[in-house]
Amino acid sequence: EIVLTQSPGTLSLSPGERATLYCRASQSITRNYLAWYQHKPGQAPRLLIDEASSRATGVPDRFSGGGSGTDFTFTISRLEPEDFAVYYCQQYDETPPTFGQGTRLDIK
Amino acid sequence: QLVQSATEVKKPGSSVKVSCKASGGDFSNYAINWVRQAPGEGLEWMGGIIPVFGTVMYAQKFQGRVAITADESTSTAYMELNSLKSGDTAIYFCTRAPYMASPYRHWGQGTLVTVSS
Repeated sequence: EIVLTQSPGTLSLSPGERATLYCRASQSITRNYLAWYQHKPGQAPRLLIDEASSRATGVPDRFSGGGSGTDFTFTISRLEPEDFAVYYCQQYDETPPTFGQGTRLDIK
Repeated sequence: QLVQSATEVKKPGSSVKVSCKASGGDFSNYAINWVRQAPGEGLEWMGGIIPVFGTVMYAQKFQGRVAITADESTSTAYMELNSLKSGDTAIYFCTRAPYMASPYRHWGQGTLVTVSS
């Protein structure tokens, strides 16, 4: 199965700053079938990005994704207070679908 | 919309069966997947089912210990986990998607299962 490694494990930033998260795959995700989710305590995960760079319906444009092959990035251009959460990448290029271990985005 | 069953507290060695009732859309032609999150851990795909084909797949980690089924007459999917251990304490989510390997746009609210003696 494809193993996804996210970095950093925790990112401490202030509102208004830019956040960049990384997701590295153990083998190439050939169709760029990579998604990003936001997860807050007590809620279901929320899909933000699919196909590496396509924002899901209703997702603000401060969220963006990029990359290809084995290396992917997720950026929040200007952090809002509600953006502090855990973020996961997921590959769905192969079955089983797999998730990264998550990046916790904390308020500094 | 996906509505899951209520919180469960189970003893080690027992089983739990969590339900996920779908409303809106075509239940049979979409995959229902189960994803769990243990305390302090990330998201983990357990398996899924496509009701119209009867196709079921499980993550290797749970093979032999999990059973995912679907009742098309009530648009409800089930996930039964056997031989429960303390490490199975987690929130269990169902999702609905075109395929088992898909981005998951639609999620249930989650069901907390606590395994404790």
